[in-house]
Amino acid sequence: KAGVTQTPRYLIKTRGQQVTLSCSPISGHRSVSWYQQTPGQGLQFLFEYFSETQRNKGNFPGRFSGRQFSNSRSEMNVSTLELGDSALYLCASSGGTGPEAFFGQGTRLTVV
Amino acid sequence: GENVEQHPSTLSVQEGDSAVIKCTYSDSASNYFPWYKQELGKRPQLIIDIRSNVGEKKDQRIAVTLNKTAKHFSLHITETQPEDSAVYFCAAPQGSTTGGYNKLIFGAGTRLAVHP
Repeated sequence: KAGVTQTPRYLIKTRGQQVTLSCSPISGHRSVSWYQQTPGQGLQFLFEYFSETQRNKGNFPGRFSGRQFSNSRSEMNVSTLELGDSALYLCASSGGTGPEAFFGQGTRLTVV
Repeated sequence: GENVEQHPSTLSVQEGDSAVIKCTYSDSASNYFPWYKQELGKRPQLIIDIRSNVGEKKDQRIAVTLNKTAKHFSLHITETQPEDSAVYFCAAPQGSTTGGYNKLIFGAGTRLAVHP
């Protein structure tokens, strides 16, 4: 069974630009969650999608948004990028036989 | 909401020693507690988890214990090896996972160094 796949692996963007990251969950999993990982703040929850609906949301500004498609693939978008948005963005797939969440390899975003 | 505290932030042990990492949580409704291992430059990897209906779970050299009354859970690694060196994260869900909700609140992480 293929694992969680995130694309792209690395991104360099300029302040003020916007970016879209993609996550393909494990086949059969319907829940996709997104997390931001930084050295200072650790792993912070962004939002969760289940069956194309946002089910949970973390404490991030509205510049961070997401969506989920009918095949459970998910995208997250960050608009008007700030230097502080530089981070590793991880998605986690869940929804097999239990609550276990499995992470993708992440997208390393650098804002310059 | 859920709050998870993790200690220590760094842990240095000699190969063969045991390592213990402790976490506390605040939401008594939480019923699932996973532990993740993250090696440098890699994804967090689920290594063990425990549900609230058991007090201990073992998998070879790693074990997790849960004290629901005190609202804390611990990761125990015995006979540590250099390849155990990594950052370990504990987590607890925001609310119950009965409905399959997937919002994990993570501890700040413990950097474990195992010296040969």
